[in-house]
Amino acid sequence: EADIYQTPRYLVIGTGKKITLECSQTMGHDKMYWYQQDPGMELHLIHYSYGVNSTEKGDLSSESTVSRIRTEHFPLTLESARPSHTSQYLCASSETGTQYFGPGTRLLVL
Amino acid sequence: GEDVEQSLFLSVREGDSSVINCTYTDSSSTYLYWYKQEPGAGLQLLTYIFSNMDMKQDQRLTVLLNKKDKHLSLRIADTQTGDSAIYFCAETHTDKLIFGTGTRLQVFP
Repeated sequence: EADIYQTPRYLVIGTGKKITLECSQTMGHDKMYWYQQDPGMELHLIHYSYGVNSTEKGDLSSESTVSRIRTEHFPLTLESARPSHTSQYLCASSETGTQYFGPGTRLLVL
Repeated sequence: GEDVEQSLFLSVREGDSSVINCTYTDSSSTYLYWYKQEPGAGLQLLTYIFSNMDMKQDQRLTVLLNKKDKHLSLRIADTQTGDSAIYFCAETHTDKLIFGTGTRLQVFP
């Protein structure tokens, strides 16, 4: 089972601020994913990576960007936060197909 | 495109069995998954089933797969209040998972 960490767990921030949500995993998984979760529960894939220097956009268009400089680290950045970005962000990693999730970051943009 | 559907809510009495249903569309899915999400937390992998299996049992959990009808179910025996959560089914699609909308299970005493 993967150990996967996300920080911060909760973040309240004003409109226009730049933020980075951190995600790290210690299992050496090549594949990593970011999901945005609606208050109504549905998960939307916004970014994924197959390995170092690989990033792809997911099924839901997002104004966020990601990077994958190290295998264990997959940060997500919002250059200018807006109230519409308020959501829960979940990170996951995978080696064989089974995805293991971090605890999530709940973001509130005022 | 690929789609995974679940009913939104299920309410059961403590001690009864719960059955959560899911239908999917991608017949080439190799694995199908059940995840559990408690309030304020990420998704916890509960169990999964390989597509060439019909059934998998793990303690109180039983997964049934009807590949012909593309129907997956999760049965929780002797449901407890700690089982109250949102349950997601998911199918594999290339290197990604397609998730259902989630079923909110409420257990009352």
